[in-house]
Amino acid sequence: LAKTTQPISMDSYEGQEVNITCSHNNIATNDYITWYQQFPSQGPRFIIQGYKTKVTNEVASLFIPADRKSSTLSLPRVSLSDTAVYYCLVAYYMDTGRRALTFGSGTRLQVQP
Amino acid sequence: GAGVSQSPSNKVTEKGKDVELRCDPISGHTALYWYRQSLGQGLEFLIYFQGNSAPDKSGLPSDRFSAERTGGSVSTLTIQRTQQEDSAVYLCASSTGQSNQPQHFGDGTRLSIL
Repeated sequence: LAKTTQPISMDSYEGQEVNITCSHNNIATNDYITWYQQFPSQGPRFIIQGYKTKVTNEVASLFIPADRKSSTLSLPRVSLSDTAVYYCLVAYYMDTGRRALTFGSGTRLQVQP
Repeated sequence: GAGVSQSPSNKVTEKGKDVELRCDPISGHTALYWYRQSLGQGLEFLIYFQGNSAPDKSGLPSDRFSAERTGGSVSTLTIQRTQQEDSAVYLCASSTGQSNQPQHFGDGTRLSIL
């Protein structure tokens, strides 16, 4: 059974590094893992995506182990403006053969001063 | 505009009425997605359009829900005989349609059923 799991919430302080892990068994072999950030009353915003190992851009890093059963979003030196909900997005192949994109349930990150 | 545009931004209607929600994707994007997000919850996939292919309707929760995409651009999500449990934010996203290209989201339509 395809299941995507994230921690419900995390707390941090400004300047700290935050790591959010998404667990996802048996994801589609050819699809990337994508992470989004969502602020209240806005649509999700793309942060980063990757297939394997490590990807880094100007706002985050993404670590994906070789078995691709999880992925970890790393936010360096968070600020108050990073307070948001973070979602992972993966693809599964259903029993019918249909490819289904599935969002995790989201992790609410609260950054304190 | 450069982004995905959704209208209206807010919609309040009475139970039993029909509603239409509109999505204008980014120009040139061939893939279009609709999601539903209930208060404080994650994103629930509803329907996916890709070019001229038959849409993936597997996420539509009942036959009261339908969607069209005319001319490969604008999409309309229609909910007939609305129920209170239909109250949610309806989000639209588009992408280039190429493999593993990220989705770009609009800010959604907040639907409230009285």
